[in-house]
Amino acid sequence: SQQGEEDPQALSIQEGENATMNCSYKTSINNLQWYRQNSGRGLVHLILIRSNEREKHSGRLRVTLDTSKKSSSLLITASRAADTASYFCATARLYNQGGKLIFGQGTELSVKP
Amino acid sequence: GAVVSQHPSRVICKSGTSVKIECRSLDFQATTMFWYRQFPKQSLMLMATSNEGSKATYEQGVEKDKFLINHASLTLSTLTVTSAHPEDSSFYICSAGGDGYTFGSGTRLTVV
Repeated sequence: SQQGEEDPQALSIQEGENATMNCSYKTSINNLQWYRQNSGRGLVHLILIRSNEREKHSGRLRVTLDTSKKSSSLLITASRAADTASYFCATARLYNQGGKLIFGQGTELSVKP
Repeated sequence: GAVVSQHPSRVICKSGTSVKIECRSLDFQATTMFWYRQFPKQSLMLMATSNEGSKATYEQGVEKDKFLINHASLTLSTLTVTSAHPEDSSFYICSAGGDGYTFGSGTRLTVV
């Protein structure tokens, strides 16, 4: 399968709590990205981390990358009900063909008010 | 920032008919665009890479005669689902941009 793995598949938390999602992949990568998708809608690009980076922050988002373990995590701090969505990691392979992405299975996050 | 427009957002068609989906880059030129398919509660699977002025590159298992891709200009790629069947019902989404990371809003295709 070309797909990577994400866990958990579903996560339900209370507003204000932190949410952590994990992603593993199979091949050497150029970069890894996280996307958000509201039900039945398009994808929103959240953050990109390059293979030579270990951690990156953007607002309430923190992404880590461990290339030795071929894994990444997305942490959303102080979650809000509006964060309810599906979250996908996607990898751009080394020697990427200009934008071709391999997506993980996704985590469905539900934040209860 | 870069914007990719996809049309239509929803379409219902009868079995055996063809449906065309458009993907446009609104404020930039895109020599390459990507088409993905997403079944309910599943992830996105890359179907093909659309190349301006040349043939599309299809992923393994994707029928090129069924999913016709045309990239006739630097701002427009089209995906035509030919002789659609109920199993083709899915969410189709395109991406473009120099890094391919800007996505359209997707098209929900229902074949009845």
